[in-house]
Amino acid sequence: QQQVKQSPQSLIVQKGGISIINCAYENTAFDYFPWYQQFPGKGPALLIAIRPDVSEKKEGRFTISFNKSAKQFSLHIMDSQPGDSATYFCAASEKSGYALNFGKGTSLLVTP
Amino acid sequence: ETGVTQTPRHLVMGMTNKKSLKCEQHLGHNAMYWYKQSAKKPLELMFVYNFKEQTENNSVPSRFSPECPNSSHLFLHLHTLQPEDSALYLCASSQDWKETQYFGPGTRLLVL
Repeated sequence: QQQVKQSPQSLIVQKGGISIINCAYENTAFDYFPWYQQFPGKGPALLIAIRPDVSEKKEGRFTISFNKSAKQFSLHIMDSQPGDSATYFCAASEKSGYALNFGKGTSLLVTP
Repeated sequence: ETGVTQTPRHLVMGMTNKKSLKCEQHLGHNAMYWYKQSAKKPLELMFVYNFKEQTENNSVPSRFSPECPNSSHLFLHLHTLQPEDSALYLCASSQDWKETQYFGPGTRLLVL
């Protein structure tokens, strides 16, 4: 059973636009929600992460919005650039667990 | 570079072969992980080692055998694999099993 559901599977955004990727979860024991970015030929790299005690976290052009009651969180990429073209994975883990439960990924293409 | 290296980067093997994947981390971390990444599926955690002790085995078939001789090195021994085992195998490490995971570039495995 997939613990974290991610959408959309793919996304095309024009340069300068806003990219939005959504994730949903069911396990209320999850308390850590990272986003990873993966370029072709590379492993995933941590982009930004959030814990449930805050509703939003911003780092540069990247923002995580977290809705604890809805059990949803999303990644917003402002002023999207062609260099942002990559696959993005959301993930979640429990306070006492080892595993990062990943979404299936979103392939983002930012067109010039 | 993330400080996690993996060799080889590409591997083609027959179903009767025996091969090994190697991972090395130069970050002084204590926990190391093996993940399997298949197309259109979430990253799957296979094994976790914390302070060289295996702490999790997510029902991985016995044809995959991990080895962690020290906290800097992790191996995945492969034997009698199946074509459906073809995937990108990613190694990751973290300071502690609850901390941010840093991924290597992966080994692209093709089983014929």
